[in-house]
Amino acid sequence: GAGVSQSPSNKVTEKGKDVELRCDPISGHTALYWYRQSLGQGLEFLIYFQGNSAPDKSGLPSDRFSAERTGGSVSTLTIQRTQQEDSAVYLCASSPSRITDTQYFGPGTRLTVL
Amino acid sequence: KNEVEQSPQNLTAQEGEFITINCSYSVGISALHWLQQHPGGGIVSLFMLSSGKKKHGRLIATINIQEKHSSLHITASHPRDSAVYICAVEGGADGLTFGKGTHLIIQP
Repeated sequence: GAGVSQSPSNKVTEKGKDVELRCDPISGHTALYWYRQSLGQGLEFLIYFQGNSAPDKSGLPSDRFSAERTGGSVSTLTIQRTQQEDSAVYLCASSPSRITDTQYFGPGTRLTVL
Repeated sequence: KNEVEQSPQNLTAQEGEFITINCSYSVGISALHWLQQHPGGGIVSLFMLSSGKKKHGRLIATINIQEKHSSLHITASHPRDSAVYICAVEGGADGLTFGKGTHLIIQP
């Protein structure tokens, strides 16, 4: 079956612009995660959704970052007023449930802020 | 916050060698994940374990909950095993907490 898909695969934007990153999880997966992989920083957790709700937003680095999930499926990560330090690969993962399940990762969106 | 340490950071070995990558963490967890990332590629989950040992092909993962330690072993290593191997732990309210990864190169 189809895996986790993300779009766009690459995004180049100018500092100060807003960007939206999209994640389509595996059908039926209730848990959805956003991570960020920065050069020199490794992988870090941003936010996770159980269904449509986001019980844990502790990983979002600033209030410029927000995310939503509609219909228990597609999720959008929005970064407002992008900064150069936002440049990274943004990864989405999904799992069948929240409780210690294998996570399936998407290919990521490479964001470059000029 | 859980601190996840991996060793070694870099490992170069010859084809056929037995490989061991170690991971230790500081706080009790509900599960530990081993992930693989090829250069320019996506992340693939290799194992998720909360106790004991799991085996898949030439890969073996073990975890010692009391010692807060896990190992990933590769038997009969092959150049296609060259990748970054990442340990990640799960526990508490947030998603995974990741180690910095082990860069493995298997030379023919």
